[in-house]
Amino acid sequence: AQKVTQAQTEISVVEKEDVTLDCVYETRDTTYYLFWYKQPPSGELVFLIRRNSFDEQNEISGRYSWNFQKSTSSFNFTITASQVVDSAVYFCALSGPTDSWGKLQFGAGTQVVVTP
Amino acid sequence: AAGVIQSPRHLIKEKRETATLKCYPIPRHDTVYWYQQGPGQDPQFLISFYEKMQSDKGSIPDRFSAQQFSDYHSELNMSSLELGDSALYFCASSSLEVAEAFFGQGTRLTVV
Repeated sequence: AQKVTQAQTEISVVEKEDVTLDCVYETRDTTYYLFWYKQPPSGELVFLIRRNSFDEQNEISGRYSWNFQKSTSSFNFTITASQVVDSAVYFCALSGPTDSWGKLQFGAGTQVVVTP
Repeated sequence: AAGVIQSPRHLIKEKRETATLKCYPIPRHDTVYWYQQGPGQDPQFLISFYEKMQSDKGSIPDRFSAQQFSDYHSELNMSSLELGDSALYFCASSSLEVAEAFFGQGTRLTVV
């Protein structure tokens, strides 16, 4: 069975602070995919990043960066220099090797509140 | 660029009524997924279709059914609606060539 745990329910920061969102996953698959999605107050789900289990290289994309560590089954996500527009619920998600891209096991989500 | 289109965006139904949600995938996407997101919850996978055939099934109630048509659009039919069916319903689409599922803006169903 697959499971995604986002222990942080809500994080509040002041604009320009960095925000790190934690994600811990469980899976018996050796090949799997990890995702981060953003859900702003308007409700849509916005794809942010995808990582496969064979690629532990951590990258930075603009103000976003992620830290994938298979040894601890963690896939943390950082927003650098947060902005008010970053206020949203952020979901970590997992899919297995035989699943198509869209069958995702989501975590409970972390509400990020960025105040001016 | 074309996105996933869901209609209607908002729907209000009474208990025991039926509802039909529609999803139009991105052109050339052959796979459609349906999700249900209750208030304050994460999206839960319901069902998916690939090339008009059901490809996977999640926690979809027996009162719900879905299909994918020849033009690849999909419909989620919900009968005997209950108050607990009030949720945001997402459709997503993908193809083998695109390593990402694109989500529509969702249909907010309210059962009163």
